[in-house]
Amino acid sequence: NAGVTQTPKFQVLKTGQSMTLQCAQDMNHEYMSWYRQDPGMGLRLIHYSVGAGITDQGEVPNGYNVSRSTTEDFPLRLLSAAPSQTSVYFCASSPGTSGRGDEQYFGPGTRLTVT
Amino acid sequence: DAKTTQPPSMDCAEGRAANLPCNHSTISGNEYVYWYRQIHSQGPQYIIHGLKNNETNEMASLIITEDRKSSTLILPHATLRDTAVYYCIPLTGNQFYFGTGTSLTVIP
Repeated sequence: NAGVTQTPKFQVLKTGQSMTLQCAQDMNHEYMSWYRQDPGMGLRLIHYSVGAGITDQGEVPNGYNVSRSTTEDFPLRLLSAAPSQTSVYFCASSPGTSGRGDEQYFGPGTRLTVT
Repeated sequence: DAKTTQPPSMDCAEGRAANLPCNHSTISGNEYVYWYRQIHSQGPQYIIHGLKNNETNEMASLIITEDRKSSTLILPHATLRDTAVYYCIPLTGNQFYFGTGTSLTVIP
């Protein structure tokens, strides 16, 4: 198993550009989530999904969209990039739909800079 | 939502036990407590979780007080590779809330 993969590893955007961060997992996990981590801070939940076709907002959803058309993929879309979205983005997955008793597996992260 | 309080940093001598405390006094009765760590800039790594009882696995032990208001993660024989930021996280519904964690430095 490749586990949780994220692409790209690094990205530089100009203010106002849009882009999609890709996340895929090959473990048939139901639960997937996106976090951002700013320098010196802990991770903050952006959006999560408990299964294909089901998504919900986390702590900091503004400026981001998600969709979950398949179990494997959970892309994160930045609609109009802003410098405040400069961060490291982590995708995670876990087997269950509630997260209870399940460990989350994290991807290696995407380092995004918005100028 | 349960909030946690952890010391910002700790040191531990290599080979000694590292005891990392976490206060989660507002945790509700059905919220699990999870511990993750993050080594440098990598994605967080799961360590252990518990609800009421103490737990042990190959990486660590988790001691939860009877009133569930605090817990302690124990790394029994710390190595240099255990240098990382350790997060104590209550699971609230479907959401994990990471705080700023404890930066553990293992000293040779």
